[in-house]
Amino acid sequence: EVVMTQSPATLSVSPGERATLSCRASQSVSSNLAWYQQKPGQAPRLLIYGASTRATGIPARFSGSGSGTEFTLIISSLQSEDFAVYYCQQYNMWPLTFGGGTKVEIK
Amino acid sequence: EVQLVESGGGFVQPGGSLRLSCVASGFTFNTYAMTWVRQARGKGLEWVSSVSGDGATTEDADSVKGRFTISRDNSKNTVYLQMNSLRAEDTALYYCAKAADGYYNDYWGQGTLVTVSS
Repeated sequence: EVVMTQSPATLSVSPGERATLSCRASQSVSSNLAWYQQKPGQAPRLLIYGASTRATGIPARFSGSGSGTEFTLIISSLQSEDFAVYYCQQYNMWPLTFGGGTKVEIK
Repeated sequence: EVQLVESGGGFVQPGGSLRLSCVASGFTFNTYAMTWVRQARGKGLEWVSSVSGDGATTEDADSVKGRFTISRDNSKNTVYLQMNSLRAEDTALYYCAKAADGYYNDYWGQGTLVTVSS
């Protein structure tokens, strides 16, 4: 099983600042990596797939990068609606696995 | 507009069974794989099961293998999750999700809550 490790667990950021979230895979997942955003009481929302392709309707301030085992999600200038929990997921092999999440909170 | 509506959750005793349903609309259902993902209260996301567009291929997490069965009825645009031998640790909000070209999920339902308790 591919273990996905996200860091940090919690990120405190001021509005307008940049946030950098990391996701590490225990073995290579190529570029088969997705990022999701989840707000309290809501279902997850797809942000990024293929490690770096923004999903439909996702603002350009969200960007993903990486391949193999190291991945990064950057939110260039945090807006109030971006404070949420972010999950990475690998879909390179079965079983599909998610990271434990990074909570982005207001500093 | 893609919509996924789950139902069938509820309260069940350990060892019991439930069948979850997810009715899909807004896309060509038989073209896409479908997935169930669960989330225990205050915890992260856990993949449960996936089924291919034609229903011929399924994959399950080890934690549910032999107890849960995913299936689909393309004539009804519905995916199911039959859950048997339920355990307390199966208590979670169960999301139905549409898989995209790869097994990432581009649309999610709002979830149905399953509570396993004596």
